[in-house]
Amino acid sequence: GESVGLHLPTLSVQEGDNSIINCAYSNSASDYFIWYKQESGKGPQFIIDIRSNMDKRQGQRVTVLLNKTVKHLSLQIAATQPGDSAVYFCAENSGGSNYKLTFGKGTLLTVNP
Amino acid sequence: DVKVTQSSRYLVKRTGEKVFLECVQDMDHENMFWYRQDPGLGLRLIYFSYDVKMKEKGDIPEGYSVSREKKERFSLILESASTNQTSMYLCASGDWVEQYFGPGTRLTVT
Repeated sequence: GESVGLHLPTLSVQEGDNSIINCAYSNSASDYFIWYKQESGKGPQFIIDIRSNMDKRQGQRVTVLLNKTVKHLSLQIAATQPGDSAVYFCAENSGGSNYKLTFGKGTLLTVNP
Repeated sequence: DVKVTQSSRYLVKRTGEKVFLECVQDMDHENMFWYRQDPGLGLRLIYFSYDVKMKEKGDIPEGYSVSREKKERFSLILESASTNQTSMYLCASGDWVEQYFGPGTRLTVT
């Protein structure tokens, strides 16, 4: 079946550096790609989404890039802060008649002071 | 501030017990969801509801049922708890892109 996966299970960066979290997907029919952040002891929190007809979208300190040619999604966090330490999940909405949000397995981001 | 609340943060039950997990949202969302989260497996959809008294199976519905009698409340029921249902259970409301999650219930079945 279709799946959403991550290249790196853990990522450690220095405070102030930029972080890049990667995700591979296999369902070329997905309509939306989404990033969620889960801090310790909390439920996931929506960060940003990108529609399949776009290749870049920017938010506050975050940028999501979508490369449909290689089925790759990335989340860039500028000037990473200790509060960015969390598990980051990519997710896809397969759209069509199957409106299901499928989550990847997550990447743990640790920001060192 | 939008909010999804879950009835318990931690729960310990015995094998064979009937377990109710309650979820309430205050955002007037049509859709509500139940996921379980396990290490290495991410979030998996158990059931969702798109309206009062309506429900649809997710990826792993076996061993679970749900109830949506009021728009703001979505309950997950384990008819006869088993040890393989030990997990973190997350409730959410929203649409198919942006979902608001509760803090989770960590259920242990012994």
